[in-house]
Amino acid sequence: DVVLTQTPVAQPVTLGDQASISCRSSQSLVHSNGNTYLEWYLQKPGQSPQLLIYKVSNRFSGVPDRFIGSGSGSDFTLKISRVEPEDLGVYYCFQATHDPTFGGGTKLELK
Amino acid sequence: EVQLVETGGGLVQPGRSLKLSCVASGFTFNNYWMSWTRQAPGKGLEWVASITNSGGSTYYPDSVKGRFTISRDNAQNTLYLQMNSLRSEDTATYYCTRNRGGDYWGQGVMVTVSS
Repeated sequence: DVVLTQTPVAQPVTLGDQASISCRSSQSLVHSNGNTYLEWYLQKPGQSPQLLIYKVSNRFSGVPDRFIGSGSGSDFTLKISRVEPEDLGVYYCFQATHDPTFGGGTKLELK
Repeated sequence: EVQLVETGGGLVQPGRSLKLSCVASGFTFNNYWMSWTRQAPGKGLEWVASITNSGGSTYYPDSVKGRFTISRDNAQNTLYLQMNSLRSEDTATYYCTRNRGGDYWGQGVMVTVSS
């Protein structure tokens, strides 16, 4: 199984600051078709998760451009510039290149 | 508007069975893979099962393989998860999602496995 390791586990932030979350995979996430199926989700308190980023760096419909996904191979990052109150919650990375797996989650919380 | 509505959760004894349903609307159901993902209380997300748009192929992690069966009725726009031989560690909120991860998620349904 592909293991996704997210760091940090918790990220205290001040509103308006930038936040950065890392997701490292135990294997390359480059599919034989050339695509990299790495996604990012946000789960706000009491809500279902919502898709933010797909295929490493593509923002899903309606996602603000302050969310930026990057990376390649087995090393990926989600950056959130100018954190707003509605950005607080738990972020998960997810891969579907191999049998799907989620990272352990990173809680973005107020400092 | 895409909507996914799960039903069928509840309290069940270990070793028994339960079947979840998910009714989809707002998109052409038979064009999309569908999946189930679960979340144990206070824990992270775990992918449980996926099915191709035709229903011809299904995929599971080892933790549920041989016990859970995902299926779909494209005429009724409905996704199912048959769960057999349930264990306490299957206690979770189960989400129906479109695609393998989930560009859309249902509100989730709680399954509690306890005697």
